[in-house]
Amino acid sequence: QKEVEQNSGPLSVPEGAIASLNCTYSDRGSQSFFWYRQYSGKSPELIMFIYSNGDKEDGRFTAQLNKASQYVSLLIRDSQPSDSATYLCAVNGPGSGTYKYIFGTGTRLKVLA
Amino acid sequence: SAVISQKPSRDICQRGTSLTIQCQVDSQVTMMFWYRQQPGQSLTLIATANQGSEATYESGFVIDKFPISRPNLTFSTLTVSNMSPEDSSIYLCSVARTDGDTQYFGPGTRLTVL
Repeated sequence: QKEVEQNSGPLSVPEGAIASLNCTYSDRGSQSFFWYRQYSGKSPELIMFIYSNGDKEDGRFTAQLNKASQYVSLLIRDSQPSDSATYLCAVNGPGSGTYKYIFGTGTRLKVLA
Repeated sequence: SAVISQKPSRDICQRGTSLTIQCQVDSQVTMMFWYRQQPGQSLTLIATANQGSEATYESGFVIDKFPISRPNLTFSTLTVSNMSPEDSSIYLCSVARTDGDTQYFGPGTRLTVL
């Protein structure tokens, strides 16, 4: 079983719609959760991090964490073509060592103009 | 977040040679890491670069193949030794101010081995 799982996509949404990206993790002791955006040929760029159950909003982005169900999601409101990228979920915590991130394989998002 | 640079940004190398990649940060950071991202894959941690001591390698990565230096809190190098085409990948350094802090990535080095 993969430690961090994401649907590889592509997830296609029309411009202006809400894109919903999901990530599940296997280590129940995980403490910190991160979303990175990676454009083709570029390095990962931090979008958001979340530590506590519930929602965390930053502009058009909302991260949602449910530790009981072991999933974290990223919502992108009013999706724009410039949001088209691969979104990587990363998890760290006691099981992996406090500084070690375990990355999912990423979900490719395509926003259609 | 810190400003991170990597050199070279890309290179094409011959089988059996070695390449040293540099990672420079504009401020002192406690943690520096090296990752590999193979084509179409996610990121895999190679090692943690420890200042003043030997790097901590992840399972499947060894010092003879990927020697790492970290002479101070702003600089690290990764060498890919005795390269083969399977080493063709993007190599990324990342930094965090403290253990457990958010990691930020450098621009990466795209390596092609012929």
